[in-house]
Amino acid sequence: DAKTTQPPSMDCAEGRAANLPCNHSTISGNEYVYWYRQIHSQGPQYIIHGLKNNETNEMASLIITEDRKSSTLILPHATLRDTAVYYCIVRAKTSYDKVIFGPGTSLSVIP
Amino acid sequence: GAVVSQHPSRVICKSGTSVKIECRSLDFQATTMFWYRQFPKKSLMLMATSNEGSKATYEQGVEKDKFLINHASLTLSTLTVTSAHPEDSSFYICSATGGQTEAFFGQGTRLTVV
Repeated sequence: DAKTTQPPSMDCAEGRAANLPCNHSTISGNEYVYWYRQIHSQGPQYIIHGLKNNETNEMASLIITEDRKSSTLILPHATLRDTAVYYCIVRAKTSYDKVIFGPGTSLSVIP
Repeated sequence: GAVVSQHPSRVICKSGTSVKIECRSLDFQATTMFWYRQFPKKSLMLMATSNEGSKATYEQGVEKDKFLINHASLTLSTLTVTSAHPEDSSFYICSATGGQTEAFFGQGTRLTVV
């Protein structure tokens, strides 16, 4: 079973920041938080990951709480192309650790 | 990011026939590959995990004789759906990991069994 909980859906106005929350209260010390997104009928796309420090790349920022029990993915300026299902996943940083998907959050960016 | 290529992207086959789906890591060595299936409006369901050179590990409820997985090299894994039936129609997705920590996904294969 997935180790995370996310709201099933969210809306965001185009050009505004999209903040997607994720709860992972049972995360283990060696587990990282990964975010992926899936645009309709495509394979999931990797976005970002982190352990305990906040992370930023060209796609998004990841804010992890100090107790690591929750995190927020931030898309700073959402566009229509960011409409997708976003998945928050926790897994160990080893290549053979399973990637288990929960239901994710369906983000709709509205013009 | 790393590139994982899946082929074919779409396939239609007759009931009772077998279909092979290929998953290739193009720019890294994939020590582990994962296979998923996804039904409409549902999340990805992990079917099996394969490590290069060894037998795949199947998730509970997945028939290993139905879904044959081969991971014979560090860049290629195949999923064969044997004696396909209409209920096997689905979106199949592969994922690969290697030295990098994140898993990268193929573009998926839409299988329709008629």
